[in-house]
Amino acid sequence: GIQVEQSPPDLILQEGANSTLRCNFSDSVNNLQWFHQNPWGQLINLFYIPSGTKQNGRLSATTVATERYSLLYISSSQTTDSGVYFCAVDKAAGNKLTFGGGTRVLVKP
Amino acid sequence: DAGITQSPRHKVTETGTPVTLRCHQTENHRYMYWYRQDPGHGLRLIHYSYGVKDTDKGEVSDGYSVSRSKTEDFLLTLESATSSQTSVYFCAISESWANEQYFGPGTRLTVT
Repeated sequence: GIQVEQSPPDLILQEGANSTLRCNFSDSVNNLQWFHQNPWGQLINLFYIPSGTKQNGRLSATTVATERYSLLYISSSQTTDSGVYFCAVDKAAGNKLTFGGGTRVLVKP
Repeated sequence: DAGITQSPRHKVTETGTPVTLRCHQTENHRYMYWYRQDPGHGLRLIHYSYGVKDTDKGEVSDGYSVSRSKTEDFLLTLESATSSQTSVYFCAISESWANEQYFGPGTRLTVT
């Protein structure tokens, strides 16, 4: 099956800092999503982004499908950004997501 | 927030007993999914449904069955629970295969 690798595995930020999270995948995909799992365990969909660039407030994402990677940018980080960020992909129709291992982010005040 | 509820939210059961988890949605979305989340394995797809009575297996379907008799409900059954099925179970929904997937709050299941 498709492999999804996320880096870095852990990230510690000072409040206000910017950061970039990376997701590499091993095969062509027609579906890529980014999620944030907060410290209480809730999974929140951040972006549906099989290609191109999207922005939502302080977060933005870019997927370069031809090169098999996606980037999630966090600007002016806040303590509420802490948690685990997951990239997930599907190479066929069905939205049957394969998840990466996640990037654990801790934002310190 | 998408209207997705899961019940129960927490359950402790003994090895060998059957267990049914329920996912209920109020969004009228066609697609529904069950995932499990385990340390070291991340989130893995168990089963999914692409319509009423239409279901299929995911990556880790052994020991699990599902049913969907109504658009709003998707049930996950552990036929005979084992300790390896101790996990956090998440339900998710999407409007189509090319849309965002939204997750429920999760059910923490412990099999003793």
